[in-house]
Amino acid sequence: QVQLVQSGSEVKKPGASVKVSCKASGYTFTTYVISWVRQAPGQGLEWMGWISPYSGKTSLEQKFQGRVTVTTDTSTSTAYMNLRSLRSDDTAIYFCARSTWGKKGWSDYYYHMDVWGQGTTVTVSS
Amino acid sequence: QSVLTQPPSVSADPGQKVTISCSGSSSNIGNNYVSWYQQLPGTAPKLLIFENDKRPSGIPDRFSGSKSGTSATLGISGLQTGDEAEYYCVTWDGSLNAGVFGGGTKLTVL
Repeated sequence: QVQLVQSGSEVKKPGASVKVSCKASGYTFTTYVISWVRQAPGQGLEWMGWISPYSGKTSLEQKFQGRVTVTTDTSTSTAYMNLRSLRSDDTAIYFCARSTWGKKGWSDYYYHMDVWGQGTTVTVSS
Repeated sequence: QSVLTQPPSVSADPGQKVTISCSGSSSNIGNNYVSWYQQLPGTAPKLLIFENDKRPSGIPDRFSGSKSGTSATLGISGLQTGDEAEYYCVTWDGSLNAGVFGGGTKLTVL
């Protein structure tokens, strides 16, 4: 079955970095993009960005540019999200999601996330 | 503040129908497709609707989606207590070149 399995919980100090992995199975890894979404405690979902394992193309939310790197290893069907210079407000559950992104016609973008990882809790605390 | 606006909460009785709205602009909902997600407490989100009104396999037809102009709507009929969850709309914003989420709507089945 199609699934995404994420790495385990992390506890980091402010200023450190964290790298979350997301291993895909049950489908051809390069035929979908991988999105990253986070959820702070008691808050809503926040889009971080996506990467195409096929082309390496990425799209990142502006607030994360310069601090987040998303990569993939097609040999192991694994996506990675690296977040640097951690702050206390980066404490959140981080999700990866198999996604479909594209355009129909002149400007009608379609984008949806159909399979999600179980989430990785990242706690930033001194 | 979220780019897409959803009501913070809605409620209805079991068996009734409820609608959840998602309001945006021409740079997002107005020109792009909308998807909807259900998040039960303590779990990852689940795709309910994609491309405005399509249901993935396994999603019952009690869940429906529509879009008009710069707003989209999720409908849930025959409400069950198991539908109590947070619901999110998502679309692509062509001006931001980014995915955008609504702030989420908490559904209570009374």
